[in-house]
Amino acid sequence: RKEVEQDPGPFNVPEGATVAFNCTYSNSASQSFFWYRQDCRKEPKLLMSVYSSGNEDGRFTAQLNRASQYISLLIRDSKLSDSATYLCVVNRGYGGSQGNLIFGKGTKLSVKP
Amino acid sequence: NAGVTQTPKFQVLKTGQSMTLQCAQDMNHEYMSWYRQDPGMGLRLIHYSVGAGITDQGEVPNGYNVSRSTTEDFPLRLLSAAPSQTSVYFCASSGTTFGELFFGEGSRLTVL
Repeated sequence: RKEVEQDPGPFNVPEGATVAFNCTYSNSASQSFFWYRQDCRKEPKLLMSVYSSGNEDGRFTAQLNRASQYISLLIRDSKLSDSATYLCVVNRGYGGSQGNLIFGKGTKLSVKP
Repeated sequence: NAGVTQTPKFQVLKTGQSMTLQCAQDMNHEYMSWYRQDPGMGLRLIHYSVGAGITDQGEVPNGYNVSRSTTEDFPLRLLSAAPSQTSVYFCASSGTTFGELFFGEGSRLTVL
């Protein structure tokens, strides 16, 4: 099992749709979790951190399921501007070093008019 | 609001040539790192640093050297370029151990 796995997509959805991405991780000792967004030919940018209790930021909701070792990202009322690749990032270590960050390969989302 | 600055943005090399990718950040971040991104592979860590004078290897360090003489700068050196090093390279920095990574705009390298 790969350390961090994501469905590569692409997810093609109409504007206004709700779409969800899952990301599984293999190391049960993983400490922190993030979703990054990467636009085409641009650098990744932090979308949101994922907390144990789940967290919401506007139309975006992130959830963590430690028992099943996955995190999810839900996007409601999709906008054209949400089209991007969403990267799941897991910090697998106890020490919190940046060297312990593992990036998933990303899930591509395309929102159509 | 410079953040993380990488140069050059584009570079074409011939096999065997050497070069340095520059990375500078103005946020006084202790943590800096270099990633490469290849189609279908995701971001892979090359080298990282937790402070001036301290560097460590990541997942794919072979063929690359780094140094961290100042907090601001973290250059990546390709010793003898190979076609397998054709990639997009991202430098990133962070102010805390579990914190947000701030990426540069990337450097697209082609090795012929």
